[in-house]
Amino acid sequence: RKEVEQDPGPFNVPEGATVAFNCTYSNSASQSFFWYRQDCRKEPKLLMSVYSSGNEDGRFTAQLNRASQYISLLIRDSKLSDSATYLCVFSGGSYIPTFGRGTSLIVHP
Amino acid sequence: NAGVTQTPKFQVLKTGQSMTLQCAQDMNHNSMYWYRQDPGMGLRLIYYSASEGTTDKGEVPNGYNVSRLNKREFSLRLESAAPSQTSVYFCASSGAVINQPQHFGDGTRLSIL
Repeated sequence: RKEVEQDPGPFNVPEGATVAFNCTYSNSASQSFFWYRQDCRKEPKLLMSVYSSGNEDGRFTAQLNRASQYISLLIRDSKLSDSATYLCVFSGGSYIPTFGRGTSLIVHP
Repeated sequence: NAGVTQTPKFQVLKTGQSMTLQCAQDMNHNSMYWYRQDPGMGLRLIYYSASEGTTDKGEVPNGYNVSRLNKREFSLRLESAAPSQTSVYFCASSGAVINQPQHFGDGTRLSIL
């Protein structure tokens, strides 16, 4: 099993839709979880951290399921500007942060 | 409001040439990283520096060397460039290696002919 697995997509959704991505991890020692957004040919930018109890930032909700070892990102009321690649990152224990390969989201009119 | 600054932004080299990619951060972060990103491959860690004075290999260190010059600066050197090293290179920094989010520079696009 790969350390971090993400569905590469693309997820193709209309404006206003709700879309969710999952990211699974294999190392149970993972302690910190993050979602990043990367636009085409740009650097990854931190979108949000993921807390144990789940957290929300505007239209974005992140959740953690330790029992099944995955995190999720929910985007409500999708905007055209949400089109990007979303990367998950895991960190903790004695190992360096590990990035997933990303999930591509395309929001169309 | 600079954050992480990488130079140069673009570079074309011939096979066998050497060059150094520069990275500096002004966030007083302890840890710094060099990644490469190729189409369909995601980010792959080349080297990282957990703190000033230390460097460690990442997933793909072959063909590269690094120097943590001081707390602010972390450079990546290609001693003898090869076409397989054509990629986009990102530098990042974080407060610590564990449990802290990374902040990225805007990348160096390197082509080796």
